[in-house]
Amino acid sequence: EMRLVESGGGLVQPGGSLRLSCAASDFSFNIHWMSWVRQVPGKGLEWVANIKKDGSEKNYVDSVKGRFTISRDNAKNSLYLQMNSLRGEDTAVYYCARDKGYHFDSWGQGTLVTVSS
Amino acid sequence: SYELTQPPSVSVSPGQTASITCSGDQLGEKYVSWYQQKPGQSPVVVIYEDNKRPSGIPERFSGSNSGNTATLTISGTQAVDEADYYCQAWDFNTGVFGGGTKLTVL
Repeated sequence: EMRLVESGGGLVQPGGSLRLSCAASDFSFNIHWMSWVRQVPGKGLEWVANIKKDGSEKNYVDSVKGRFTISRDNAKNSLYLQMNSLRGEDTAVYYCARDKGYHFDSWGQGTLVTVSS
Repeated sequence: SYELTQPPSVSVSPGQTASITCSGDQLGEKYVSWYQQKPGQSPVVVIYEDNKRPSGIPERFSGSNSGNTATLTISGTQAVDEADYYCQAWDFNTGVFGGGTKLTVL
């Protein structure tokens, strides 16, 4: 059964940086677009970014453009999210999800990022 | 930016039909997906491409999308269906989620 496992979350000060990772297993990672979706605790879902299967195309929600960078390493079956200039409003659970055409057919368990001094 | 609007809450009695709407400009021209999220769990897709049901999702879940409104319908609602539900679509290359609807089965 396919699996997505996020890691790298934690407490970071405003203005700081953090790199999230998502390890994929038991499916052909290199043929799928992948996304990051976040959720402020107790609030709704927000799509953050996605990346084409070969990494040649990346898209971002406006609120993170210029601060976050999505990347992938197909040799390692891994997805990443480099987050710089973090703000309080970036505090959320970050999920990686597999893009299956127009929907997300599999999600990780999420990793919590807390931006606070 | 593109927005999807859902009612914050919907209540339904067990065995009855629950309908959750999702509104957006010309939404009928986009594919809509629906996700179920229970407390402490990751979201699970219950409807994709407007009306397709993934394997393992009960037949009581169905979807439609026309005009400016997509609808998730749960027929014969069960207590286990109590959860938050989110609609989702793509606006060009940007993913968009609705604000979510808390379904209460009482």
